[in-house]
Amino acid sequence: GAVVSQHPSRVICKSGTSVKIECRSLDFQATTMFWYRQFPKQSLMLMATSNEGSKATYEQGVEKDKFLINHASLTLSTLTVTSAHPEDSSFYICSARVARGNYEQYFGPGTRLTVT
Amino acid sequence: AQTVTQSQPEMSVQEAETVTLSCTYDTSESDYYLFWYKQPPSRQMILVIRQEAYKQQNATENRFSVNFQKAAKSFSLKISDSQLGDAAMYFCALPNFGNEKLTFGTGTRLTIIP
Repeated sequence: GAVVSQHPSRVICKSGTSVKIECRSLDFQATTMFWYRQFPKQSLMLMATSNEGSKATYEQGVEKDKFLINHASLTLSTLTVTSAHPEDSSFYICSARVARGNYEQYFGPGTRLTVT
Repeated sequence: AQTVTQSQPEMSVQEAETVTLSCTYDTSESDYYLFWYKQPPSRQMILVIRQEAYKQQNATENRFSVNFQKAAKSFSLKISDSQLGDAAMYFCALPNFGNEKLTFGTGTRLTIIP
């Protein structure tokens, strides 16, 4: 149980375009999902917390207008990178919390974004 | 603010041997959880083991066990009978009780020598 999927696994886009990444909890409802960014050989950096039915909470230094997060249902959160630039190229990972008070997070397989 | 420190950027171990990865942390909470996550080359994050601070008994999951020293704020991971599939980045993580965000350490890259 507790499977999280991400789509796409890899995406290449041109500079100035937008790209959407989906994160789905497959066998449980996730009121809260988290979006991370990971640079090569580094740890995960939390970008934002996504709550179903409300606005996402962004970490300090993360541009909310650039990284749009929507958590429209209990099983789906999306991250849209708007007006992408080469410096946005990275590995993006989502995670979901199974239930409040259960502090484990289950992670998606990640999305490799390359902006050319 | 919570902190998690992993002082070993890289470790290596001979196949079938035992290796211990270190983690220290700081939190103002009296009760909390601690996790070890594994990130293999596929980059899928996998929960390896969890420890609840109020439990004095060290958690064990098959070949993986922890040495939890609450007073010292130390949480090391021991891998016994190391296998090639154990090669990965290992992250120690501490959740924040209020907002449930995870604070990760910088990771330890484990190499298994055949």
